Amino acid sequence: DAGVTQSPTHLIKTRGQHVTLRCSPISGHKSVSWYQQVLGQGPQFIFQYYEKEERGRGNFPDRFSARQFPNYSSELNVNALLLGDSALYLCASSIQGHGPYEQYFGPGTRLTVT
Amino acid sequence: AQTVTQSQPEMSVQEAETVTLSCTYDTSENNYYLFWYKQPPSRQMILVIRQEAYKQQNATENRFSVNFQKAAKSFSLKISDSQLGDTAMYFCAFVSLQGAQKLVFGQGTRLTINP
Repeated sequence: DAGVTQSPTHLIKTRGQHVTLRCSPISGHKSVSWYQQVLGQGPQFIFQYYEKEERGRGNFPDRFSARQFPNYSSELNVNALLLGDSALYLCASSIQGHGPYEQYFGPGTRLTVT
Repeated sequence: AQTVTQSQPEMSVQEAETVTLSCTYDTSENNYYLFWYKQPPSRQMILVIRQEAYKQQNATENRFSVNFQKAAKSFSLKISDSQLGDTAMYFCAFVSLQGAQKLVFGQGTRLTINP
């Protein structure tokens, strides 16, 4: 079975631009979470979506938004990019949206903002 | 808010040795789970081991075991008979059973296994 997939693998954008990152969860998983991992740090929680509803939001500005589609795939959108948005963006899927179910991570999208 | 602290930015041991990675956390909750995740240089994060807070028995997965001290809010990872493939960043993480399925990660420990 395929694991969590993310696209694109790498992305270079200019300050002020907009970016869309995509994630496909493991088949049968209904929850998708997004994390930002700045170089040298642990991942920081951005969003969780479960059954197409936002279930949780981390401490990120409104420039960050996300959505989940009927097939449970998800998009993370970031507007008005700043240099500080340069990071590895990780997507994780889980079979349920609550509780201690394991979160399976994708390989990430490396975003560089110049 | 929960916090997770890993006080060892880097560690290095010889192959076949035993190594222990430290982690402390802070929470006012009583029901939660703790995890150790491994992120090899290829960067895909994978789960190593998990511990339920309500269980006194320490979790074990083959060469990996934890020392969970709930009162001290301490959760260390022991790797026995270390292998070259254990070289990676290791992250300690906390998840509450309340609300969103939000993993709170520590800063990570870079572990290098030398031949």
